[in-house]
Amino acid sequence: NAGVMQNPRHLVRRRGQEARLRCSPMKGHSHVYWYRQLPEEGLKFMVYLQKENIIDESGMPKERFSAEFPKEGPSILRIQQVVRGDSAAYFCASSPLAGGSYNEQFFGPGTRLTVL
Amino acid sequence: AQTVTQSQPEMSVQEAETVTLSCTYDTSESDYYLFWYKQPPSRQMILVIRQEAYKQQNATENRFSVNFQKAAKSFSLKISDSQLGDAAMYFCAYRSARRGGSQGNLIFGKGTKLSVKP
Repeated sequence: NAGVMQNPRHLVRRRGQEARLRCSPMKGHSHVYWYRQLPEEGLKFMVYLQKENIIDESGMPKERFSAEFPKEGPSILRIQQVVRGDSAAYFCASSPLAGGSYNEQFFGPGTRLTVL
Repeated sequence: AQTVTQSQPEMSVQEAETVTLSCTYDTSESDYYLFWYKQPPSRQMILVIRQEAYKQQNATENRFSVNFQKAAKSFSLKISDSQLGDAAMYFCAYRSARRGGSQGNLIFGKGTKLSVKP
């Protein structure tokens, strides 16, 4: 059973370009979480999605950032018109069930975004 | 809002010795989960150990154990017989057990960088 897959592992963009980060959850997992890790910081929650639904986007900037988790295919985190401050590692995690009982989140290897 | 604090930015331990990493948290909830994650230079987040708040018994996983003090809101990680491969960033994390809304997202501390000396 393959783990959580993220691609690309490294992404370089110039200011003003768009960045698309992909996350394929573990087989059988229908819950996806995105986190951002700035240099020298812990991970910060961005958004929580189930298939075709955004459940909680309270950690995601209101502008330029969007996320989706379609019925088929990977979850996508999209950053429009990137700025240098978007440079960070973006992690995706998946779990088989929602909260209320313990469910481990399995993390992908992350995508390191560098904005020039 | 819940917060997690790790007051030790860096720690060092001699190989085969024992080290304790500190973590405190703030919450008004009574039911939650606590975790320690390891992040080696590869950046992969690896779950080390977890604790359910309703359990009084401290969790143990091989050389890793926790000291969970619910009243003090403290959750420290003890690594025994430290190995070179233990060198990494260690993050303490909190997760609500409440249903609905923002259920499930982890709240992380800023991390402690652990070095292991041969």
